[in-house]
Amino acid sequence: DTGVSQDPRHKITKRGQNVTFRCDPISEHNRLYWYRQTLGQGPEFLTYFQNEAQLEKSRLLSDRFSAERPKGSFSTLEIQRTEQGDSAMYLCASSLWIEGANEQFFGPGTRLTVL
Amino acid sequence: AQTVTQSQPEMSVQEAETVTLSCTYDTSENNYYLFWYKQPPSRQMILVIRQEAYKQQNATENRFSVNFQKAAKSFSLKISDSQLGDTAMYFCAFPRPWENAGNMLTFGGGTRLMVKP
Repeated sequence: DTGVSQDPRHKITKRGQNVTFRCDPISEHNRLYWYRQTLGQGPEFLTYFQNEAQLEKSRLLSDRFSAERPKGSFSTLEIQRTEQGDSAMYLCASSLWIEGANEQFFGPGTRLTVL
Repeated sequence: AQTVTQSQPEMSVQEAETVTLSCTYDTSENNYYLFWYKQPPSRQMILVIRQEAYKQQNATENRFSVNFQKAAKSFSLKISDSQLGDTAMYFCAFPRPWENAGNMLTFGGGTRLMVKP
């Protein structure tokens, strides 16, 4: 399978715990995006990387959130001291950046439930 | 700020019939792209169709076509010969203009489409 993969697919945690999600993009893609989607809503942008550089972060990304893409391949999204409001689907997408074109390919998402 | 509005939270259509999903957006840019994404139940989001604003011809992909009205900032999706597999959430999405770095997508609130047998 050469699509975007995410791990784990589901995560249940208790409030206050730390969680980490992983995203593996399509291998030749240089851009990687994280979105958050709450039930019945459209995804909201969190952050994105071009290769290993994190170029933009949404104001939705509080200090408890950190994302990395250390070698320009896979990425991790960590949430510290989880809160119930963090419960959502976390989507990863990747694209091959060519000026004027930006088709993003999405992974299946990680559904986080904070109890 | 860019906004994307989908005014139909839910729609239903009989199998084999045609349905149109609406999307309006707001931008001051002249060159941009627009996308429709499909998210089936418990499955990942996939791109259905894309439209480039500088192209006057409406995009078509098999049973899917768009009605792009640039002046009205309207971008509707028409699904012809609806199939049960078309049941999904449909999102209209608008990236930052391609001249700028990032191209993060702004999504509408979605339309839940149910195709009935």
